Amino acid sequence: DSGVTQTPKHLITATGQRVTLRCSPRSGDLSVYWYQQSLDQGLQFLIQYYNGEERAKGNILERFSAQQFPDLHSELNLSSLELGDSALYFCASSPLGTGNTIYFGEGSWLTVV
Amino acid sequence: AQSVAQPEDQVNVAEGNPLTVKCTYSVSGNPYLFWYVQYPNRGLQFLLKYITGDNLVKGSYGFEAEFNKSQTSFHLKKPSALVSDSALYFCAVRGRGNTGTASKLTFGTGTRLQVTL
Repeated sequence: DSGVTQTPKHLITATGQRVTLRCSPRSGDLSVYWYQQSLDQGLQFLIQYYNGEERAKGNILERFSAQQFPDLHSELNLSSLELGDSALYFCASSPLGTGNTIYFGEGSWLTVV
Repeated sequence: AQSVAQPEDQVNVAEGNPLTVKCTYSVSGNPYLFWYVQYPNRGLQFLLKYITGDNLVKGSYGFEAEFNKSQTSFHLKKPSALVSDSALYFCAVRGRGNTGTASKLTFGTGTRLQVTL
């Protein structure tokens, strides 16, 4: 158990809909990361937050947004969903400092039908 | 930009034999290097990392990795493979510095390890 908690574990939704994925980081970790894993794109970095502030942005679509709340949990919002958004979405957390290990949650499986 | 290459999509090895999963990287400056393992329908589990110091890094489940700066490689090794080691292995690199995209992990495409009896 990495200590990173993600909900829901599985989600099936229709095209055009909006979903929210939730993440609780490890106790004490201020940095939260979101990654997308798909068969054709591999593991893609989406976005990073540190203590509530956006820190880095990767290949995140404009239809997607994220935030980190004062209690440090984070949410990834995916809207106007398309079939191609079906993927495993990982949340990860770490203390600040690039030498520190980033620990991943079990992921949220999103299927868009 | 930082990048990782895992040249083998799959590595097959018999149980009890040594295994190597290859990884090369590209990053500005000195790297932080990581190996993660993903079992079916599970998240990414941290195996080991290289930060500085000894080029041979030991990690979980008997795995180790050797950092070679001149060859920009960080190959994962295990002296004796187990069937239970069968999984998807990812190498990742992180640049040094705490600002911007330098703090993110960049992953390779993954190598599927298949260990057979």
